[in-house]
Amino acid sequence: AQSVTQLDSQVPVFEEAPVELRCNYSSSVSVYLFWYVQYPNQGLQLLLKYLSGSTLVKGINGFEAEFNKSQTSFHLRKPSVHISDTAEYFCAVSAPVIKAAGNKLTFGGGTRVLVKP
Amino acid sequence: NAGVTQTPKFQVLKTGQSMTLQCAQDMNHEYMSWYRQDPGMGLRLIHYSVGAGITDQGEVPNGYNVSRSTTEDFPLRLLSAAPSQTSVYFCASSHPGQFFYEQYFGPGTRLTVT
Repeated sequence: AQSVTQLDSQVPVFEEAPVELRCNYSSSVSVYLFWYVQYPNQGLQLLLKYLSGSTLVKGINGFEAEFNKSQTSFHLRKPSVHISDTAEYFCAVSAPVIKAAGNKLTFGGGTRVLVKP
Repeated sequence: NAGVTQTPKFQVLKTGQSMTLQCAQDMNHEYMSWYRQDPGMGLRLIHYSVGAGITDQGEVPNGYNVSRSTTEDFPLRLLSAAPSQTSVYFCASSHPGQFFYEQYFGPGTRLTVT
């Protein structure tokens, strides 16, 4: 079984400042890692994913995340945020399985980012 | 493509009532799933399906039923609603091919049980 901890429930940040959202996971097997964003009153949209290869992953809207296996972390960063980045961000993991077993995501509790002018 | 669609967007039920949350996708995705979202808990998997006629339980299945008679549709049934089922419900689907691990989410159904 896997678990995901997002260390900050809320992160206020000023416009054009950098932001980092922290995510740690626990798993007895290798995992795939994801960040999703949920804008107000909308569904979830995939920001980026780590399946294998380079540990620095670039996503949409200028976000990037770094996979650190030794620290079991997958922190999300953006060097300069915009008002439009105000949203809730979810870190999630999925264990590689045969497709017949399904693709189950385990989510963290979410981090609300409020970008202030 | 419409992607993943969910109806209704909002619903209020009284305790003990039943209802079905609808989910449909037009991307020919084999894998579909239902999650519930509660404050501070992220999303938790209720039920999932790896194809028509095949369903299985997720992390929090109690109080919910599902069936998958077609590739496109994956309805979620509440047989006897309880206040603990007040939540936002999301349906998701994913492709059987190389992007299997990318899930596409619907806009959600906000359910209140009084």
